[in-house]
Amino acid sequence: EVQLVESGGGLVESGGSLRLSCAASGFTLRRAWMNWVRQAPGKGLEWVGVIKNDGGTTVYPAPVKGRFIISRDDSKGTLFLQMNSLKSEDTGMYYCTTGYSTAAHDGYWGQGTLVTVTS
Amino acid sequence: QTVVTQEPSLTVSPGGTVTLTCAAITGAVTSGHSPTWFQQKPGQAPRTLISDTNTKHSWTPARFSGSLLGDKAALTLSGVQPEDEAEYYCQLFYGGGYVFGPGTKVTVL
Repeated sequence: EVQLVESGGGLVESGGSLRLSCAASGFTLRRAWMNWVRQAPGKGLEWVGVIKNDGGTTVYPAPVKGRFIISRDDSKGTLFLQMNSLKSEDTGMYYCTTGYSTAAHDGYWGQGTLVTVTS
Repeated sequence: QTVVTQEPSLTVSPGGTVTLTCAAITGAVTSGHSPTWFQQKPGQAPRTLISDTNTKHSWTPARFSGSLLGDKAALTLSGVQPEDEAEYYCQLFYGGGYVFGPGTKVTVL
């Protein structure tokens, strides 16, 4: 059974850094595309980035490019999101997800971890 | 500027049918955009319902179906149940990454 469990959220000051973790089990992490998605309070979903299964190519949207870094430790089955230069608009619930295709390990979401950036 | 658009809200009667759509402001949505649909209920994490336009996951109820409708992606709920009341998001693979739509609030009344 695929399971994703996020951790590392909390309160951080504007301009600070935070590293989120996502413990993945039930599938081989290095074979999957892995994403981070966030949701500001009362708002919609926003894709934050992906790390692909081609050796680790990453892609980020404009709002986080240059500030956020996705990485993974395949030996530990863990995905990471390093967030730097945090802004108040980065506040929200952060979810890790597998890919969005039809592979057996795709379509899964964690329960999320809350990040609050204070000004 | 919102790249992907969805109906803000729709209301459907129990047992009825409702179709949600997902449009791209730059042109027609195609299978190349790998349209994906998600359901989110209050206080819960989203869950993936439909991938690659029309493929259901093992947990997706049979009453949900995905398609391309004209120049949009579509999610149809047939035989709607009270528990289908939720926010529904579409997502497109667009410009090398993913973009979510703003969501459609479906009310079952």
